[in-house]
Amino acid sequence: GESVGLHLPTLSVQEGDNSIINCAYSNSASDYFIWYKQESGKGPQFIIDIRSNMDKRQGQRVTVLLNKTVKHLSLQIAATQPGDSAVYFCAEKAGGSYIPTFGRGTSLIVHP
Amino acid sequence: NAGVTQTPKFQVLKTGQSMTLQCAQDMNHNSMYWYRQDPGMGLRLIYYSASEGTTDKGEVPNGYNVSRLNKREFSLRLESAAPSQTSVYFCASRFRGDNQPQHFGDGTRLSIL
Repeated sequence: GESVGLHLPTLSVQEGDNSIINCAYSNSASDYFIWYKQESGKGPQFIIDIRSNMDKRQGQRVTVLLNKTVKHLSLQIAATQPGDSAVYFCAEKAGGSYIPTFGRGTSLIVHP
Repeated sequence: NAGVTQTPKFQVLKTGQSMTLQCAQDMNHNSMYWYRQDPGMGLRLIYYSASEGTTDKGEVPNGYNVSRLNKREFSLRLESAAPSQTSVYFCASRFRGDNQPQHFGDGTRLSIL
């Protein structure tokens, strides 16, 4: 498949490790945050979201942490698997807006 | 449960040719979006439709037009294709409301020679 992004930050991990992908957001008015996974040749796929009235939200093997003080978002993937290899994007959206702002993404490479 | 369906998946055009990219969603979503994705640039919004009957420009609208045909369908037209429009185009949709994520199609890979 084609590369979805050149010169992206890259995180390489071993299978079974926990992965942490970070994202800094810029708009203090943002109150909704989303993480997407994009595999090669596919569109972004929704993973998990979090509202600004929460600090942490857990899904299946994934946890999103939100630190509004320093405008930082992270995605933790437990027991990372080769199938988790993809580009991960964060997105932020301010209340009342129809338009989310996307980060450039981080490439996660999982080595068997 | 098809979600967001884009056609075609691949297309090669010559400079100056016109083309319409099709997008349809079966999730009863109100809002629909067209993005382009280029290496190192991330997702850039071309046009969006907040609801049926409305369309608005995004970050990079020049050279494109859109039509919100009905609630399900949102098409993107290139009237006179240019090599700078070589890209991967993604359609997305979402429910209206503050805390609703977008759902994306798998893209149209467009090359303009």
